[in-house]
Amino acid sequence: DIQMTQSPASLSASVGDRVTITCRASQSISIYLNWYQQKPGKAPKLLIYAASSLQSGVPSRFSGSRSGTDFTLTISSLQPEDFATYYCQQSYSYPQTFGQGTKVEIK
Amino acid sequence: EVQLVESGGGLVQPGGSLRLSCAASGFTFSTYNMNWVRQAPGKGLEWVSYISSSRSTIYYADSVKGRFTISRDNAKNSLYLQMNSLRAEDTAVYYCAREYRSLSADYWGQGTLVTVSS
Repeated sequence: DIQMTQSPASLSASVGDRVTITCRASQSISIYLNWYQQKPGKAPKLLIYAASSLQSGVPSRFSGSRSGTDFTLTISSLQPEDFATYYCQQSYSYPQTFGQGTKVEIK
Repeated sequence: EVQLVESGGGLVQPGGSLRLSCAASGFTFSTYNMNWVRQAPGKGLEWVSYISSSRSTIYYADSVKGRFTISRDNAKNSLYLQMNSLRAEDTAVYYCAREYRSLSADYWGQGTLVTVSS
């Protein structure tokens, strides 16, 4: 199975900060990497698919990038509604696997 | 409007069975591949199972293989997960999710809670 190592596990940031979350795959997954946002008690929401494609309706402050097997989710200017947990997911092969999650908290 | 609505969760004893359903609406269900994903209380997301639109391809996580069965009825716009020999570690919120580009999941249901406990 492909392991997804996501970091950090949590971070504290202020509104307006630039936030970066990283996910590393244990092997090549091409661009089959997706990012989700989840708020407490809610279903996950797709933010980014295919490593860097912004899902329709998602604000442009969210972006994704890839360097080999390293993937990054960037929030350019953190907004109050962005405080949530973020997950990466590889969809290159089954079983699909998720990162451990990154909880973004208010500083 | 795309909607996925899960049902069938509840409290079940270890070794018991449960059948989850996911009712789809607002899109042509028969043309989409579907997944089940679960989340144990306070934990991360875990992919459980996949079924293709035509039911020709099915995958399971090792943790549920041989105990869970995914199925669908395209005429009823419904997805199912038959769960047998349930264990305490199967306790989770179960989500159905529609496959999208790059095999991501663009629409998710609200989830249904399965609790396995004596």
